[in-house]
Amino acid sequence: DAKTTQPPSMDCAEGRAANLPCNHSTISGNEYVYWYRQIHSQGPQYIIHGLKNNETNEMASLIITEDRKSSTLILPHATLRDTAVYYCIALPEGAQKLVFGQGTRLTINP
Amino acid sequence: DTAVSQTPKYLVTQMGNDKSIKCEQNLGHDTMYWYKQDSKKFLKIMFSYNNKELIINETVPNRFSPKSPDKAHLNLHINSLELGDSAVYFCASSHLGSYGYTFGSGTRLTVV
Repeated sequence: DAKTTQPPSMDCAEGRAANLPCNHSTISGNEYVYWYRQIHSQGPQYIIHGLKNNETNEMASLIITEDRKSSTLILPHATLRDTAVYYCIALPEGAQKLVFGQGTRLTINP
Repeated sequence: DTAVSQTPKYLVTQMGNDKSIKCEQNLGHDTMYWYKQDSKKFLKIMFSYNNKELIINETVPNRFSPKSPDKAHLNLHINSLELGDSAVYFCASSHLGSYGYTFGSGTRLTVV
């Protein structure tokens, strides 16, 4: 599975867009990029995933570069409840397990 | 209706005791998992069951024994508890091959 690299922490002002980067320069053609988050004292929560194309759902947007070596998770209008650790995971189809790295601790400030 | 529910939410017990944590999911998923999150917040997979069959068994001490009576339940029994077992244990479920896991809210185990 491709290794992913994320900044350990980020801050964002409430109401602004939070852009969380993830580097996955060794990603292979059949590996998807998944994003999860873990709000304090809760279980991880699935956010979004993608392979090549940009994806959007009710929670976030995922922008994947054309060479697929990096991606950005965008929370368009961050709220205080978006304060959490965000995990970027690269997984091939058929992988048996989700492996979490250290993630990015995102703090949304009022 | 909680999708993945774990009981108990908190468990404080003495070293050497045996304890169980229960997990149930009502999502119709066929695969369930146990993850451990230690004090440094690393989340590590321990076990995975698909349709009551063990498919992942990471290097976990054999004091930990998962049991899946049916595909909606995956319980974790821990024998001879040690201080190092203190952690938050998360249950999760998914369809096999899907990585949109649904996690429970965790069981905080404290061994004293």
